[in-house]
Amino acid sequence: DGGITQSPKYLFRKEGQNVTLSCEQNLNHDAMYWYRQDPGQGLRLIYYSQIVNDFQKGDIAEGYSVSREKKESFPLTVTSAQKNPTAFYLCCSRGNNEKLFFGSGTQLSVL
Amino acid sequence: AQSVTQLGSHVSVSEGALVLLRCNYSSSVPPYLFWYVQYPNQGLQLLLKYTSAATLVKGINGFEAEFKKSETSFHLTKPSAHMSDAAEYFCAVSSMFSGGYNKLIFGAGTRLAVHP
Repeated sequence: DGGITQSPKYLFRKEGQNVTLSCEQNLNHDAMYWYRQDPGQGLRLIYYSQIVNDFQKGDIAEGYSVSREKKESFPLTVTSAQKNPTAFYLCCSRGNNEKLFFGSGTQLSVL
Repeated sequence: AQSVTQLGSHVSVSEGALVLLRCNYSSSVPPYLFWYVQYPNQGLQLLLKYTSAATLVKGINGFEAEFKKSETSFHLTKPSAHMSDAAEYFCAVSSMFSGGYNKLIFGAGTRLAVHP
């Protein structure tokens, strides 16, 4: 089945550690996005990529980094510079007519 | 700049009652508007979207929404709530980045509870 796969489902980060969240899609979509979800705040855009080898900062990019070396993959690294990383992270890709296809998310917590 | 406001972070209804979830938007251009639903510990699923065609939009699971330009609203309704409708609902508006790229701006969400 086509879709977005995020892994792991749960992730724990130690202080000062970088961690990477995986996002893979087999929908052949060009555009991919990372959102952060905090209770009561909706979804906020971290980074987006319109095409392979290109990505742009979203509204809350500080403390995060991404790469887009393959069309299928858009990993997100939460660096030690992100002082409040505990959140639910959602990856999605954009299909026709602006429809977004979401993965099932990664819950990141700090030890 | 585009923005979305969802009125009421929590809504509780009885099974079989009308569901009304409110969404107001601001946009300097004709907007694309969306409602997404999120079940616990999952991603978001598209319920319905408005893209400047009919103002009354029908979606999945019996939901519909009406675009009212004069009120800048896009409220979500369902005539009769089912227990399985309990979830969090997000309204979103499509916005244009500089350079012609699109992103969705989400509201803060409304958690719907359905009780017997």
